[in-house]
Amino acid sequence: IAGITQAPTSQILAAGRRMTLRCTQDMRHNAMYWYRQDLGLGLRLIHYSNTAGTTGKGEVPDGYSVSRANTDDFPLTLASAVPSQTSVYFCASSVQGGSQPQHFGDGTRLSIL
Amino acid sequence: GESVGLHLPTLSVQEGDNSIINCAYSNSASDYFIWYKQESGKGPQFIIDIRSNMDKRQGQRVTVLLNKTVKHLSLQIAATQPGDSAVYFCAENGIIDSWGKLQFGAGTQVVVTP
Repeated sequence: IAGITQAPTSQILAAGRRMTLRCTQDMRHNAMYWYRQDLGLGLRLIHYSNTAGTTGKGEVPDGYSVSRANTDDFPLTLASAVPSQTSVYFCASSVQGGSQPQHFGDGTRLSIL
Repeated sequence: GESVGLHLPTLSVQEGDNSIINCAYSNSASDYFIWYKQESGKGPQFIIDIRSNMDKRQGQRVTVLLNKTVKHLSLQIAATQPGDSAVYFCAENGIIDSWGKLQFGAGTQVVVTP
């Protein structure tokens, strides 16, 4: 079934450790996104990519980095995890950027201790 | 982590009744709006979208209404079913820059009672 695959589904991580969340889509969408979802705050954009080879900062980029080496993959890296990064992380994609439906994966639940 | 005291507004609906979920958006320059449904433990699922050149759009059992004058968006679900229980949230494109990234609301919890 076409869609977005995120891995891992959940993770408990010690503060200070490095962690990469994986995201792969098989819909050949140009644009991809990373969001975090916290109770009462809704989805907040961390980083995005309009097309392979380009990335941009969203609303809450500090402490996170991304890369877009090809169309399908958009990994999110926490270089040195802190407890405030405990959240549910969603990857999404859309055919093009901007005013189009974004299709989401089922998320990674990350706890930083 | 979780913030104590923060919770989503809740709409309780009897099975078979119609549901109306409301959303106030913030940016008068927004020209694209979208509704998502999110079930527990799942990612957001696209329901329906609407552009600002329309004031109504219908899908299967759902209707989105857009009132640009008061910056209000609503989602109507006809004949609500138990499977409609979820968090629903709206998003606008905001036109932050030329790329127009989506901005999401916090959501409304819909609980369908028998």
